[in-house]
Amino acid sequence: ETGVTQTPRHLVMGMTNKKSLKCEQHLGHNAMYWYKQSAKKPLELMFVYSLEERVENNSVPSRFSPECPNSSHLFLHLHTLQPEDSALYLCASSQPGQGYGYTFGSGTRLTVV
Amino acid sequence: AQSVTQPDIHITVSEGASLELRCNYSYGATPYLFWYVQSPGQGLQLLLKYFSGDTLVQGIKGFEAEFKRSQSSFNLRKPSVHWSDAAEYFCAVNRRAGTALIFGKGTTLSVSS
Repeated sequence: ETGVTQTPRHLVMGMTNKKSLKCEQHLGHNAMYWYKQSAKKPLELMFVYSLEERVENNSVPSRFSPECPNSSHLFLHLHTLQPEDSALYLCASSQPGQGYGYTFGSGTRLTVV
Repeated sequence: AQSVTQPDIHITVSEGASLELRCNYSYGATPYLFWYVQSPGQGLQLLLKYFSGDTLVQGIKGFEAEFKRSQSSFNLRKPSVHWSDAAEYFCAVNRRAGTALIFGKGTTLSVSS
């Protein structure tokens, strides 16, 4: 257990479904991140939240909608996804400042059918 | 724009042999540098990091990395590889504290008996 918990671990959804991924950390970090990891591709930064405000959005399609209600929780709301959105979605948190690194969750393996 | 290159996609090493994984970065100043490891189906775990000072950094699990400014490199090493080290290894960089990490494409390490 790393201190960053992601649920569910696995998710299969149809293209017309709406689902949400959840990330929770109780490390006292104030920045949280969503990354997408696809086979044969590098980790892609999707969203960055710092102090509950979105500070970075890397041209992610609108079918992905993040939400950060407080510094401990981060959601990724999914709707009308495409098969190419199937991937491992990783959440991470950090406490910005010299010496910091990211703490990653175990990820949600998403399959869009 | 800053970038990270891991030239080796896949490396196979015999158990007990030494290991070196290469990482080169592109950035004008000295960035913060990291190595992460990912076991199958898991998130990323921080192995070690470099910010300043001694250019040889010690990490967990017997790993070390050396920062070489003249070569823009941050190669990961281990003197004797164990079968449990088989995993994917990612080099990452960010230009300053509080900004998002940029990852290389990763190197898959296989360990043969």
